[in-house]
Amino acid sequence: DTEVTQTPKHLVMGMTNKKSLKCEQHMGHRAMYWYKQKAKKPPELMFVYSYEKLSINESVPSRFSPECPNSSLLNLHLHALQPEDSALYLCASSQAGANPTGELFFGEGSRLTVL
Amino acid sequence: DQQVKQNSPSLSVQEGRISILNCDYTNSMFDYFLWYKKYPAEGPTFLISISSIKDKNEDGRFTVFLNKSAKHLSLHIVPSQPGDSAVYFCAAVRNFNKFYFGSGTKLNVKP
Repeated sequence: DTEVTQTPKHLVMGMTNKKSLKCEQHMGHRAMYWYKQKAKKPPELMFVYSYEKLSINESVPSRFSPECPNSSLLNLHLHALQPEDSALYLCASSQAGANPTGELFFGEGSRLTVL
Repeated sequence: DQQVKQNSPSLSVQEGRISILNCDYTNSMFDYFLWYKKYPAEGPTFLISISSIKDKNEDGRFTVFLNKSAKHLSLHIVPSQPGDSAVYFCAAVRNFNKFYFGSGTKLNVKP
């Protein structure tokens, strides 16, 4: 199983809603990532979890709250978002630490629209 | 400030010819570099990588070249096939977990 599964694929929410994006992998990877990608822009790193601990937070606003309940799951909790937060949110995983191939495995993404 | 740049948003190549995709970076502390391929409505998939201590890595039709003095890497696809048509992202990695992506180059291989 070399898949990273993200749900939901599409999400529309209002600025006062609370929602969550979910990500799951069963490759035994101990590093998991959230990226945000706007149209015609590169994926931008938001958070990295290594061994279920938050290791990198790229100064992301607190309306985005990551959670890593176990080594296979990664959530992104969303609250009081702004329309400019509309984007494709990509989850990825990799081996933790020195990664011989440097490979990140990406999910298909969750397309978020904030009204 | 974008640390990885792909200055060509698109490239069109005839089937059977060589495709050359370019990428420039600004930080000399990157540990390794990667190329990802992305089809519409899918997440990026890994294609090939190169360590910062090497200058070439080859895998079948795909070869990545790294020029550290110029802070430049390129992906060569030979021969190009219509199925190679996709968006290609260059990425650079620091501290093993920080991946920085370029903005992508859309490759169109014409039959």
